[in-house]
Amino acid sequence: NAGVTQTPKFRILKIGQSMTLQCTQDMNHNYMYWYRQDPGMGLKLIYYSVGAGITDKGEVPNGYNVSRSTTEDFPLRLELAAPSQTSVYFCASSQGALSNQPQHFGDGTRLSIL
Amino acid sequence: GENVEQHPSTLSVQEGDSAVIKCTYSDSASNYFPWYKQELGKGPQLIIDIRSNVGEKKDQRIAVTLNKTAKHFSLHITETQPEDSAVYFCAGLNTNAGKSTFGDGTTLTVKP
Repeated sequence: NAGVTQTPKFRILKIGQSMTLQCTQDMNHNYMYWYRQDPGMGLKLIYYSVGAGITDKGEVPNGYNVSRSTTEDFPLRLELAAPSQTSVYFCASSQGALSNQPQHFGDGTRLSIL
Repeated sequence: GENVEQHPSTLSVQEGDSAVIKCTYSDSASNYFPWYKQELGKGPQLIIDIRSNVGEKKDQRIAVTLNKTAKHFSLHITETQPEDSAVYFCAGLNTNAGKSTFGDGTTLTVKP
């Protein structure tokens, strides 16, 4: 089972460049999430989606954008990359609200901005 | 908003010993508390969770306890094995808000 797949696994960007982190899930989950994980820290929620066409801001949304045109895909867009966005990014999905269904995480995208 | 504090940040135990990781939360409305294990180069995986109407839950060598009055919950791993070595995260969730707040993680090392 593929589960949650993130691409790319690693990427180095220059300051000011833009890129899209891809996330796709094959479990037909309604809920999808983007987190960032800084060294020695927990996960911070960037954006989330409760279904196709619906997105909402999390704790740290500045500098990012998302879209959810299909149930399977939830790409994260970085515009004008800044060094502060160097982090490991995790995408996750769940069938329903977190109180009732566990989150399934991808293996992450390690992003460095120089 | 919710604030979750996790201690210790690092924990080293001998194989076969027990390990305990503690978390405190600030939002009294939080009612769901999952624990995740993250191995090197991988995403977090749910290992156990507990809801606010339960005081303790056990799954083989892993148990979680919840004290709602004191607003803290703990992960207990008994008979630790080297493959238990990983980073463990706690989280707290107010189901009305719908979003989890994570602790900063505990790096557990089990020495053979």
